[in-house]
Amino acid sequence: DQQVKQNSPSLSVQEGRISILNCDYTNSMFDYFLWYKKYPAEGPTFLISISSIKDKNEDGRFTVFLNKSAKHLSLHIVPSQPGDSAVYFCAARFDNYGQNFVFGPGTRLSVLP
Amino acid sequence: DGGITQSPKYLFRKEGQNVTLSCEQNLNHDAMYWYRQDPGQGLRLIYYSQIVNDFQKGDIAEGYSVSREKKESFPLTVTSAQKNPTAFYLCASSIGGFGAEAFFGQGTRLTVV
Repeated sequence: DQQVKQNSPSLSVQEGRISILNCDYTNSMFDYFLWYKKYPAEGPTFLISISSIKDKNEDGRFTVFLNKSAKHLSLHIVPSQPGDSAVYFCAARFDNYGQNFVFGPGTRLSVLP
Repeated sequence: DGGITQSPKYLFRKEGQNVTLSCEQNLNHDAMYWYRQDPGQGLRLIYYSQIVNDFQKGDIAEGYSVSREKKESFPLTVTSAQKNPTAFYLCASSIGGFGAEAFFGQGTRLTVV
């Protein structure tokens, strides 16, 4: 029973356009959410996070939106660049000491030149 | 340079043999984690440890064992009881507290031959 879902296994976007990656979660007790980017045969790298007390967090080209009532978050990348092509994982945790991270299955983003 | 180091990057094992994957961090993080990634799948939690000499099973702990004798080190042993050990293994660490993100190593690809 997946607690964190990313229903789109893949997404293709033209360079310069917006990429929108979606994530849904089932446990309303999650209160901290993260996005990671992963290239093949490498470890994931942290991109951006958001606490449940916020509905938006922005860092350069990356913006994460959180809709708690819908238990949904999304990552927007504007403008998309070919180097953004990777697998993106959504993760959630309970923001307390001693809690682990729960990851979604990932979405493979391809940014086409 | 602070970071988290996994070794070796590639590992081959004969069926029936135990093998230990190394994970070391110099970030002074309390929490450490082991995840497994299979082709086309997300990250599944094997074990995690929030403090020295303590660890908890994750979702897929069967056939694996860990130890946490030092804050910096969290080795994972893949035993012969693990039915499908061929996978990409990722170690991570975090401060373990509020608003923490996980930092990942570069991964170890284990292949059973």
